[in-house]
Order: sequence, then structure tokens, then C-alpha cells
Amino acid sequence: GIQVEQSPPDLILQEGANSTLRCNFSDSVNNLQWFHQNPWGQLINLFYIPSGTKQNGRLSATTVATERYSLLYISSSQTTDSGVYFCAVDSIQGAQKLVFGQGTRLTINP
Amino acid sequence: EAEVAQSPRYKITEKSQAVAFWCDPISGHATLYWYRQILGQGPELLVQFQDESVVDDSQLPKDRFSAERLKGVDSTLKIQPAELGDSAMYLCASSPGGTQYFGPGTRLLVL
Repeated sequence: GIQVEQSPPDLILQEGANSTLRCNFSDSVNNLQWFHQNPWGQLINLFYIPSGTKQNGRLSATTVATERYSLLYISSSQTTDSGVYFCAVDSIQGAQKLVFGQGTRLTINP
Repeated sequence: EAEVAQSPRYKITEKSQAVAFWCDPISGHATLYWYRQILGQGPELLVQFQDESVVDDSQLPKDRFSAERLKGVDSTLKIQPAELGDSAMYLCASSPGGTQYFGPGTRLLVL
């Protein structure tokens, strides 16, 4: 099946800093989503982005489908951005089921 | 904004007991998923429904787990008997096709 690798596994930054999270995947995809898992465990949708670039406030994401990677950018980080960020993909051969990476744990210190 | 509902939010049980989790998807979403997330890992699919039919249950431990979506709306996931290794977060998601939307999850602790 499709493999998803996220990097870095852990990232510690000061408030106000910018960050880039990376997701590599091993096969062509129909679906790619970025999630933020809050301290209570809920997965919050950030982006549905199988290709192209999207922006939502301080967050933006780019997926280069031909090179099989996606990037999540967080600008001017706030302490509330802390948590685990997951990338999840559904391969073209898949039946609309998401395969998750291991996540990037982001800690924003005041 | 419509959300996926799950209950209970937390469940503590003893091994060998039966437990059940409930999920109500966003209205109109034909596809429903149950995922399990072990601490420190990403969620993994247990079962996928399209309306009331199971599309994929290849990762569901069928000797102890069962799932149903009788009327193609809400769904129940059951574990009987529970084992220590079942301690995890159980997440339900629904989709109209494309984006999947997740509920708040049920955190299970088996003692």
C-alpha cells in the first residue's frame, strides 16, 4: 500500500516564528488532507489539497503531485498552533480511505 | 456548521468486558469510517461503510470487533471481549466524497 512519511517528527519554535512541515508519499493520490490534532484528540481539517496551493489565514499548503510531496506552512506561529499535524492520503488505487503519516509534533513556546 | 457526533467521549472498562461506541455522521454523507489511533501514531482505518454496506473491513479484528450501520445513517462499533491492547482513541469520520470530516473521538482505556 501507499506509504506516507512526515518530517520533522518534532519541531519546537518560539512564538512568532515560521515553520514548514513536509509530507512525502509513495504513489499517486486522489486525496490529500492536512489535519491538526488538538490536545483533546480531535482532528481539525486544515486543507483538502491533492494538488496545487491553498491559503487560509496564517496557514498555507502546497502539493506537488508529480513529485509526490506536500508542504504545510505556518507563519507567525502562536501557542495555540501547538499540537500534532497529520498528513493523510488516499491513493488512486484506494477506495477513498485515508492512510496517515506518523505526524509532526509542533510545540510553540511563548 | 454540521459536525460528526460520537459518544461516549471517554470509556474505562475492564478486560473481557464488552464496549460499544456510537457515531452520527454529518447528514447526507454516504460514506462513514471508523479509525483507531494508538498513542503516538496516526489513525488507522478499521472499517468503511458506503450507505449500509461494508466497503472495507480488512483491518478489523473480526474475532472481537463488529461494526454496523443498519439504516445507512448512524453506526455502532463494538468490542467483545475488550483486551488491554484495545486502549486507544476511536475516531469516526464521514464524507460526501473527497474530504473526510472527523468527530471528537472516543478515548478507551482497558484495565
